[in-house]
Amino acid sequence: GEDVEQSLFLSVREGDSSVINCTYTDSSSTYLYWYKQEPGAGLQLLTYIFSNMDMKQDQRLTVLLNKKDKHLSLRIADTQTGDSAIYFCAESHTGGFKTIFGAGTRLFVKA
Amino acid sequence: ETGVTQTPRHLVMGMTNKKSLKCEQHLGHNAMYWYKQSAKKPLELMFVYSLEERVENNSVPSRFSPECPNSSHLFLHLHTLQPEDSALYLCASSQDLESSYEQYFGPGTRLTVT
Repeated sequence: GEDVEQSLFLSVREGDSSVINCTYTDSSSTYLYWYKQEPGAGLQLLTYIFSNMDMKQDQRLTVLLNKKDKHLSLRIADTQTGDSAIYFCAESHTGGFKTIFGAGTRLFVKA
Repeated sequence: ETGVTQTPRHLVMGMTNKKSLKCEQHLGHNAMYWYKQSAKKPLELMFVYSLEERVENNSVPSRFSPECPNSSHLFLHLHTLQPEDSALYLCASSQDLESSYEQYFGPGTRLTVT
């Protein structure tokens, strides 16, 4: 079945780059997402990438997709304490409304 | 402001109680979703509504009963819950089912069943 896996924790120093990794099993995935959840809040869509793309950059965020290895990563440049949150990887198909989420990676940023 | 609000934000209920969670979206969307978020587990999709019609019921126990009276409001009625139902319940909406790749989430209701 469909599965999305990511490590549960990541700790970085303020100013360093953070790289959060995710693997998925469904080769027919069309959209891959990164969501951010801050304490006490719902999920906020950070960015998404179509499966026919290798990379997407948006300010401090860089998403890399290796479709062959079914590997997705989110790089946050110059990580700030405000980036501390849980980051969820997710995938879905064209025409489908079911989004499959990973368990989330909790990012700790040390000052 | 995400445009999706949920009330209450926190709820503690006994196993014999009946309560309802409310979700309201101010975005003019036609599709709404209920998710369950348990600690260290992936989000679980519970129900999907499109134009007030349920299109997905993801093997959810009958003690959870959704209601969508109009495209702006979504309820989750709860009765005779179990302690393992304690979780964060998230509501989301999208323009329509075809645009489900862009869902907007509410802040969630933190439910504790005692």
